[in-house]
Amino acid sequence: AQKVTQAQTEISVVEKEDVTLDCVYETRDTTYYLFWYKQPPSGELVFLIRRNSFDEQNEISGRYSWNFQKSTSSFNFTITASQVVDSAVYFCALSGRNRDDKIIFGKGTRLHILP
Amino acid sequence: NAGVTQTPKFRVLKTGQSMTLLCAQDMNHEYMYWYRQDPGMGLRLIHYSVGEGTTAKGEVPDGYNVSRLKKQNFLLGLESAAPSQTSVYFCASSYSALVYLNEQFFGPGTRLTVL
Repeated sequence: AQKVTQAQTEISVVEKEDVTLDCVYETRDTTYYLFWYKQPPSGELVFLIRRNSFDEQNEISGRYSWNFQKSTSSFNFTITASQVVDSAVYFCALSGRNRDDKIIFGKGTRLHILP
Repeated sequence: NAGVTQTPKFRVLKTGQSMTLLCAQDMNHEYMYWYRQDPGMGLRLIHYSVGEGTTAKGEVPDGYNVSRLKKQNFLLGLESAAPSQTSVYFCASSYSALVYLNEQFFGPGTRLTVL
């Protein structure tokens, strides 16, 4: 069975600090896909990134970076020089590649960026 | 483009009452989904639809019914609301079921309280 664990329920950091959100997944599939979504206080989920299991290169997008390590089944998300606007709930998610596969979400990490 | 819209945004029901949540998308997406989000539980799939006239059960379908009479609309019904159905409900849509290729677009959510 597929599972996504976000052990950090809530994190608070001071603005401009770096912060890493952890995501550990379980799957028996050899091909799978990992996602991160952001849910700001407005409530709507916003897609951030999708990564397939064959691509272990780290990805950077502005202040956001993602570290995918198959050896530890982790797909961690780092925000560099955090800003108050980064305050949100962040969800890690997992999916297989079959037509019937759905996205399995972690329970989310609530991130508070303090001014 | 309005994207995915949900009505109503908020609703309070008494136990035993019924209601219908409406989801509409203007992106010509084939696939639509209903999730519920509960504190500490992440998002859980209730029902989904792979096209007009079709519906299927997700992870937590009990107590809900759905209909997809038009491609752009996906209705979620509660026939006899229970306090356990107090939650935030999210609708999402995607171009296809291949979630690893097509991101899901989410609506703003409906906050439902059942007293």
